[in-house]
Order: sequence, then C-alpha cells, then structure tokens
Amino acid sequence: QVQLVESGGGVVQPGRSLRLSCVTSGLIFSSYDMNWVRQAPGKGLEWVARISYDGSDKYYADSFKGRFTISRDDSKNTLYLQMNSLRAEDTAVYYCVRDQGRIFDYWGQGTLVTVSS
Amino acid sequence: DIRMTQSPSSLSASVGDRVTISCQASQDINKYLNWYQQKPGKAPKLLIYDASNFETGVPSRFSGGGSGTDFTFTISSLQPEDFATYYCQQYDDFPLTFGQGTRLEIK
Repeated sequence: QVQLVESGGGVVQPGRSLRLSCVTSGLIFSSYDMNWVRQAPGKGLEWVARISYDGSDKYYADSFKGRFTISRDDSKNTLYLQMNSLRAEDTAVYYCVRDQGRIFDYWGQGTLVTVSS
Repeated sequence: DIRMTQSPSSLSASVGDRVTISCQASQDINKYLNWYQQKPGKAPKLLIYDASNFETGVPSRFSGGGSGTDFTFTISSLQPEDFATYYCQQYDDFPLTFGQGTRLEIK
C-alpha cells in the first residue's frame, strides 16, 4: 500500500532553516507529481508547493516563493521541502501529498514544525 | 488567486440527519473541485473529486455536485464516524486553494 512518511520537523528559532523529508513506498514515485500542504494549529489547510513527476516544474503559493524550495530524489523515493528564514507563522503540521492531476489522493501523517525562540 | 468560501463554518447535526455543505469559488473553476474529510489529529482524506466522483471505498451516503462557481457536498444520513471537518479544494489554477473548512459536530 502507498505510504508517505514525513520527517525533519521540530523546534527551530525564527530566521533559521529546516529541511523536511518525505520517504515514499508502495508507489512508483517517479511517476507522480507531489505536494506539500500545511496546517497551522487549529487552522485550515494551506497548499505550499508542488513539483512535477520529473522535477521540471515547480509551483509555490506566493507566501513561500523565495523562502521555501521543493525538490525530489527519485533514486531515494523521497520528497523534500527546504524552508529558510522561518517565521513564527510557519508553525504548522506539514503534510506530504501525492497528486493525481492536482487531486490529493494520498497524504502522509504530517510532521510538526514549531518556530519559536 | 481563486478564493473558496465554504458555508456554514460549523454545523451541529444528529445521527441520521441529511446535511449539505456549500462551497463557492470566486471565479469559474469548471468541475475542478475536491472534497476532503479530516478527523482530529489525522491527515485529510479524499472523498470526492471532479466535483461529483467518489474516491474508491467512499460510502455512497456522501455525494457532491455543482460546477462553475457553486458546489455542494451532501451526507444523506449521518453516521457517528462522519463527525469531522470537511474542506473543499479547487484545482483549476495555481495557487491551489482550500475552503476554510466546515466543522460538523454532534447535536
């Protein structure tokens, strides 16, 4: 079965960086577009970024352009999110999400990022 | 950006009730709308895609409809496991956007 397992979350100070990883299994990773979606505590869902199956196309929500970078390593079946210049408002659970034509059909369990001094 | 507005934001209902949630897009999104269910502490789960198509394994008491700017999500007879938060999401254009969510609570 399809599994998406995020890691890399934790407590980080404002202005610092963090890299999230999502290891996938049970799917042909290189065939799928992938996304990061986040959810601040007690809030709704917010799409962060998307990368095409071959890595050639990347899309970001405006709030993250220039600060966050999505990438993938198909040899490791892994999706990444490099987050720089973190702010308190970036505190959230970050979900790795498989994409079938922009339909989010499989979600990881999420990893919590807390930005605090 | 396409703004998605769900109503109501919260809803109290009883087991066996029929409930309907609305989602309005700020511009025409054709049929490019999905519905997700999220339970506390869990990841969202896809229920409906392309406005009205069931994801595999989703019970038939769930249904979706609409096109253009106005969409609905209906649960025909609420079951105890249906009490959760529901989100709509448009995928007509980037940035992909979600509604603010509808929290369905037990009356």
